[in-house]
Amino acid sequence: GQQLNQSPQSMFIQEGEDVSMNCTSSSIFNTWLWYKQEPGEGPVLLIALYKAGELTSNGRLTAQFGITRKDSFLNISASIPSDVGIYFCAGQEGAQKLVFGQGTRLTINP
Amino acid sequence: DGGITQSPKYLFRKEGQNVTLSCEQNLNHDAMYWYRQDPGQGLRLIYYSQIVNDFQKGDIAEGYSVSREKKESFPLTVTSAQKNPTAFYLCASTKGFNYGYTFGSGTRLTVV
Repeated sequence: GQQLNQSPQSMFIQEGEDVSMNCTSSSIFNTWLWYKQEPGEGPVLLIALYKAGELTSNGRLTAQFGITRKDSFLNISASIPSDVGIYFCAGQEGAQKLVFGQGTRLTINP
Repeated sequence: DGGITQSPKYLFRKEGQNVTLSCEQNLNHDAMYWYRQDPGQGLRLIYYSQIVNDFQKGDIAEGYSVSREKKESFPLTVTSAQKNPTAFYLCASTKGFNYGYTFGSGTRLTVV
């Protein structure tokens, strides 16, 4: 099955730094989604993007739907300890199915 | 409060045994999904169902079976044919196209 290429796979940063991660695909998606997963829990939706070029914010998080519809990025500004977790991108294709990236594991040093 | 409940949280199974993971939602969502998560591999789709009494195989359906007799429930059976069943299993549902998924809190299955 199709998978998205998400990078980086892991990040180790200092508290207060900004974070950037992205996803690319060989296929076009109509919707891009970003999720966060904490240990032992299911992913939680952070941001949903529905139009090419769309830029959406949710607090310190900003995500963009690439103009080619084959990529998306997520930025986190001024990171704090509770930002730790695994971030997943997902693209929505037909039949309501989501395709997920491999995840970016974020670790923050206080 | 509406949500998705997966049970049990932890499950241990002996080799050669079938085991069923429960997934119940009270969100009135039509579509439900089962994903498997292994370290470093993201989420892979096992089965999905868009409506009661109908379901389709995902990318890694071999060794798994499902049923969808009620809108609220989508149980997953891990059969003895699944060669490497130890993993974290996630159930999700959605209200429709473009709404994203709501996930349960997962079941960690370990084969001993």
